[in-house]
This record gives sequence, C-alpha cells and structure tokens, in this order.
Amino acid sequence: DIQMTQSPSSLSASVGDRVTITCRASQSISSYLNWYQQKPGKAPKLLIYAASSLQSGVPSRFSGSGSGTDFTLTISSLQPEDFATYYCQQSYSTLLFTFGPGTKVDIK
Amino acid sequence: QVTLKESGPVLVKPTETLTLTCTVSGFSLSNARMGVSWIRQPPGKALEWLAHIFSNDEKSYSTSLKSRLTISKDTSKSQVVLTMTNMDPVDTATYYCARISWYYDSSGTLSYYYYMDVWGKGTTVTVSS
Repeated sequence: DIQMTQSPSSLSASVGDRVTITCRASQSISSYLNWYQQKPGKAPKLLIYAASSLQSGVPSRFSGSGSGTDFTLTISSLQPEDFATYYCQQSYSTLLFTFGPGTKVDIK
Repeated sequence: QVTLKESGPVLVKPTETLTLTCTVSGFSLSNARMGVSWIRQPPGKALEWLAHIFSNDEKSYSTSLKSRLTISKDTSKSQVVLTMTNMDPVDTATYYCARISWYYDSSGTLSYYYYMDVWGKGTTVTVSS
C-alpha cells in the first residue's frame, strides 16, 4: 500500500501569513494527489485535485504543486476561515485510496 | 444540486454487524467512471478510507479492513450500502460517504484523475455494550 505522510503535523500562524504544508508519498504517485480542508464537526471539503488543479469555488489563495513523491499545499495569505485541518490523499492506485495524517493550522 | 446522505444506527454492540446506507441525489450511480467512497474518522483522529464502488461495479477495500467490509449499490434506489462485520469499540467513528469524480487530462498525460468532490455530512456510530 502507498503510505502518505504530512509535515508539519500542526502549525500556528497569523492572518496574512503564507503557509506551506508538505505531503510525501512512499512511492511515486505522479500527480495523483488531492488536498482537502476539514473544519471541526464538518465534512472535508475538496480544495485541490490532480496536485495543482483548483476545485471550483475554492479561493485562489490556495495552490498545490509537486509530482512524484513530494507535494505542497500553499495558502498565500491566511484568512480567518482557513484555520482548519488539511489532508492530502493519493488516488494513484484507484484500488486503494490513502489519506495523509493531517496538518492542523491554528491561530498564533 | 448533488447531495449525499448517510444513514444507519447510532449505536451498535460489539461483535454486531454495522450496515450504513448512502443515499445520493443530483447524479446517477450509473454515470460513467463515477463512484462512491466510504471514509471514517474516529474522534480526534485522521480520515481513513474504507471502500469504494464505481459505476461499472468495480469495488475496492482497505487492506486492513477488507475481511470485514462489503460494499454494494442499488442504482435504481440511488443508494450505496456498506456493511462492516464484527464491530469493536475501536470502530467508533463518524462515517462519511463521498462522490468520486474524475478529470481527464486530454492535453498532457491522457490519464484520469479521481477525487472526492462532494461529501455527506457524516453519521456518528458508537460501538458499546
């Protein structure tokens, strides 16, 4: 199975900060990488698919990059509504989807 | 408007079988290359993908839970059903279903990219005697 890791596991940031979250796959997954945002008590929300494609309706301050084994999610200017937990998920193997352990972004 | 709604018991006893239903609207379970996943999240923990089923009836299961899971769909009822046998307190979690959609890169890799674009609100299941 493909294993996903994320770093950091948590971070504290201020409104307006540039935030970068890293996701790493245990083997090459090309660009088969999606990012989700989850707020407490809510279902996850798709932000980025295919490593760098912005889901419709998602603010342009969110961006994704990377291919192979290393990926990043960047929030260019953190907004109050962005404080949440972020998960990466691989879809390289359509037989076995895998999520990363999550990165919690909270207020500094 | 695409929606998914999970339903099932709130409380199950250890060793019992859990049956969850995901009722979808706004799209058909027979749409080409679309599917539905089940994902769970224990309290305070990360998301865990459990299983999915595609419109062509292709099914996949989490390696660690494969022996306990069965997924099926009833296209006429717009429902996807997940059963999990031999429930244990560690299976206490919020269970989500989500639609699997796809993007075809026609100008580059000529590949299909799958992602979960619409999620249900989740249903909380507690396993306790």
